[in-house]
Amino acid sequence: DGGITQSPKYLFRKEGQNVTLSCEQNLNHDAMYWYRQDPGQGLRLIYYSQIVNDFQKGDIAEGYSVSREKKESFPLTVTSAQKNPTAFYLCASSIEKNGPWNTEAFFGQGTRLTVV
Amino acid sequence: GQQLNQSPQSMFIQEGEDVSMNCTSSSIFNTWLWYKQDPGEGPVLLIALYKAGELTSNGRLTAQFGITRKDSFLNISASIPSDVGIYFCAGGNQFYFGTGTSLTVIP
Repeated sequence: DGGITQSPKYLFRKEGQNVTLSCEQNLNHDAMYWYRQDPGQGLRLIYYSQIVNDFQKGDIAEGYSVSREKKESFPLTVTSAQKNPTAFYLCASSIEKNGPWNTEAFFGQGTRLTVV
Repeated sequence: GQQLNQSPQSMFIQEGEDVSMNCTSSSIFNTWLWYKQDPGEGPVLLIALYKAGELTSNGRLTAQFGITRKDSFLNISASIPSDVGIYFCAGGNQFYFGTGTSLTVIP
C-alpha cells in the first residue's frame, strides 16, 4: 500500500535532548512538509522540501532541523533550542496537479512528542 | 506567516442537519483545499479546488472557490455521526492552514 509513515506515534524525551522524528513515503512525491499542531490550533509549517537535497524554512523553523538525502525520507530533528517542543507533529507529501501551485497533500498519522 | 480565518470555530448540530463553514484570507490563492482530521490522526483531503468560482462535490460535501480567490466555503448536507472531527481549509501550496472548525454531531 502507498502512503506516508511517521514513527513513532508517541515519543517522550527529557528536556535538553535532541530527538529525531521519522517520515517515509512511497508515493513517489517530490515535495514533503513538516507541520506542528498545538491543541485547538491549525497546522503551522516548520520546513518543506520540494526536491532531494533542498529544503526551505517555514514560519516556525527555529529550533528544528531537517535533511532530505532521499526522495522517500524527510526526518525532522527537534533540537534543545526549541523552547516549547511538546506538540503533535505531522508530515505530509504532495503531488503537483496542473502546475506547481496546484497540489494535494497526503498526511502521515502524526507523532505526539512530549518533553518532560 | 499567515493563518487563514476559518469560521465558525466550533459547531454542535443535530444528526441530519446541514453544515456550512468558510475560510477567508487577505491574500489571493490559486488553490483551496479542505481537510478533515479525526482526533490523534493526520488530516485527510476531502475536496480540492483549483479555479476561481469552481463548485465541486464529493458525496454529501460541496465546496466552492470564491470568485475573489480570497475565500472558500464547505457545506456538508444531511450530517451523520461520523462527520465528527475538525475541518481545516488550506490555501496555496500547502503553506497556509485555517484555524479549524470543530464539528460535533448529536445523534
